[in-house]
Amino acid sequence: GQNIDQPTEMTATEGAIVQINCTYQTSGFNGLFWYQQHAGEAPTFLSYNVLDGLEEKGRFSSFLSRSKGYSYLLLKELQMKDSASYLCAVRDSNYQLIWGAGTKLIIKP
Amino acid sequence: IAGITQAPTSQILAAGRRMTLRCTQDMRHNAMYWYRQDLGLGLRLIHYSNTAGTTGKGEVPDGYSVSRANTDDFPLTLASAVPSQTSVYFCASSVEGSTDTQYFGPGTRLTVL
Repeated sequence: GQNIDQPTEMTATEGAIVQINCTYQTSGFNGLFWYQQHAGEAPTFLSYNVLDGLEEKGRFSSFLSRSKGYSYLLLKELQMKDSASYLCAVRDSNYQLIWGAGTKLIIKP
Repeated sequence: IAGITQAPTSQILAAGRRMTLRCTQDMRHNAMYWYRQDLGLGLRLIHYSNTAGTTGKGEVPDGYSVSRANTDDFPLTLASAVPSQTSVYFCASSVEGSTDTQYFGPGTRLTVL
């Protein structure tokens, strides 16, 4: 079966750095997405990786290792508004998105 | 409007009733999707449409139907609602079906009693 694993919940301090991991086992791979979802709101696109390596976008970076079936989202200089769930999704060989259950990130002052 | 809208925002429905969730986008995206989101689970694809006039089944299509008469609208119908269909429903769209980023509507919170 296809599986996306992420930690259920993480806590970090305002101003710090946090890394959210995602491991996947899917039938094929055609890219990995990270989305942010604030409570009660829609998921919004953060980043996309299809090749190995690091993609940087402001305070957020996303890393991919296809050989390890692994990705992480790195958030720097954490702000209270970064409190949200972070969803990892993999596009499989049929170009369907397989979603992880999400990681709830709690930021403390 | 700009983006994707969904209606209603929330609904409480008696089991056995028929319900249509509406989704409209004004971005001229070809592909549209319906997901359900349940606590502790990832988003699960119900149905999708790669272009107007075509639809396909996702991971959890049973009990749901869709139509795509034009580019902008993609309604989801529950023919006879059951309590297990209590969920938050998100509509999404992308420029093309297989290669593009999906953008989500605000969601519909549905409770079936």
